[in-house]
Amino acid sequence: GQSLEQPSEVTAVEGAIVQINCTYQTSGFYGLSWYQQHDGGAPTFLSYNALDGLEETGRFSSFLSRSDSYGYLLLQELQMKDSASYFCAVLKGGYNKLIFGAGTRLAVHP
Amino acid sequence: DTAVSQTPKYLVTQMGNDKSIKCEQNLGHDTMYWYKQDSKKFLKIMFSYNNKELIINETVPNRFSPKSPDKAHLNLHINSLELGDSAVYFCASRGTDSNYGYTFGSGTRLTVV
Repeated sequence: GQSLEQPSEVTAVEGAIVQINCTYQTSGFYGLSWYQQHDGGAPTFLSYNALDGLEETGRFSSFLSRSDSYGYLLLQELQMKDSASYFCAVLKGGYNKLIFGAGTRLAVHP
Repeated sequence: DTAVSQTPKYLVTQMGNDKSIKCEQNLGHDTMYWYKQDSKKFLKIMFSYNNKELIINETVPNRFSPKSPDKAHLNLHINSLELGDSAVYFCASRGTDSNYGYTFGSGTRLTVV
């Protein structure tokens, strides 16, 4: 089987930095993805890490440590529009199946 | 616009009915998926097709039957709808580029009454 653990809720203020952690247990691990979903909207792709290290895309960065089965999403200079749910997802080999965690609801306050 | 589009956006129906959801992508992707998102926002994979061939079939009641007439279309037919089928159903597609990002449709909110 597989499991992904991420916090259910995180609260932060505008302009701050927040880190959302994700630990996983799975066989056939290819990589770790992050998706953002606003209420009533579709999940949108943020990042993918196949190798250890930090990937930066604008205000968002994602980190992976394969040996620790751990990753995180780092959001900098938080804006109100960043209030959303953030999902980590493991890409499994074979048929490239994406398995999602339960999501972290981020609330950004003024 | 290039996108993954699903119809209908909302579907309210009675228990026991049969309904279909349609999905089309014009991104040229080879692989398409159906995901179910429950009331707790948990996203669970149901099916995947690669170039019209079924490649992933998770533990889903056989009342759910996907069909892919071509690689740009993936439909989902549900027979004998039950209250527990109420959820948001997302179609997604993926290309062969290296970032493995999925593009999701806007979802179909199914309510069974």
